[in-house]
Amino acid sequence: DTEVTQTPKHLVMGMTNKKSLKCEQHMGHRAMYWYKQKAKKPPELMFVYSYEKLSINESVPSRFSPECPNSSLLNLHLHALQPEDSALYLCASSHGPQGRSGNTIYFGEGSWLTVV
Amino acid sequence: AQSVTQLGSHVSVSEGALVLLRCNYSSSVPPYLFWYVQYPNQGLQLLLKYTSAATLVKGINGFEAEFKKSETSFHLTKPSAHMSDAAEYFCAVRKTSYDKVIFGPGTSLSVIP
Repeated sequence: DTEVTQTPKHLVMGMTNKKSLKCEQHMGHRAMYWYKQKAKKPPELMFVYSYEKLSINESVPSRFSPECPNSSLLNLHLHALQPEDSALYLCASSHGPQGRSGNTIYFGEGSWLTVV
Repeated sequence: AQSVTQLGSHVSVSEGALVLLRCNYSSSVPPYLFWYVQYPNQGLQLLLKYTSAATLVKGINGFEAEFKKSETSFHLTKPSAHMSDAAEYFCAVRKTSYDKVIFGPGTSLSVIP
């Protein structure tokens, strides 16, 4: 079973709001990812957690704050976002760098974020 | 640096016709290669992957892809298109398990009845 679950599916927030996106996987994967995707574009990597530690931050603005409470959960805390941050936010997971078969990344269904 | 190109940002085929989506990569060593599909308003779903076990890789929904080292290509094919195949397709490459996944720009497939 290759399932990554994301909530909420849709989120509308004002520029002064604080909200969070949540992600969960029960595949025993030790790497988890946040991607941002604009319409008709490929996903852009934001953050990577490896063994619950932040290993990659792709120079993402501090208004996005990731958190990995345990090996199954990944959150993305949002604060003071801008309208241009409106996008599909995808969570993903993989076995981790020591994994097998090219370390395939499995994606969730995404959270559609609209900033007004 | 690695890169992935997908020839044709938009491809249209008739229902029942052959689907061919092109992917070329640049890498100094044979990498791991992936095809993902994204249906409207959904996340990315893995179609198939090449990890050096076999050059012809079969995936879900009748798709397959062939790794050709000499051409640095990993084109995706399906013998007979179905209306449900209409989606965005992304080719992706990963040099090693420790490297980032590099996505191509995507190809939007339309299937004409």
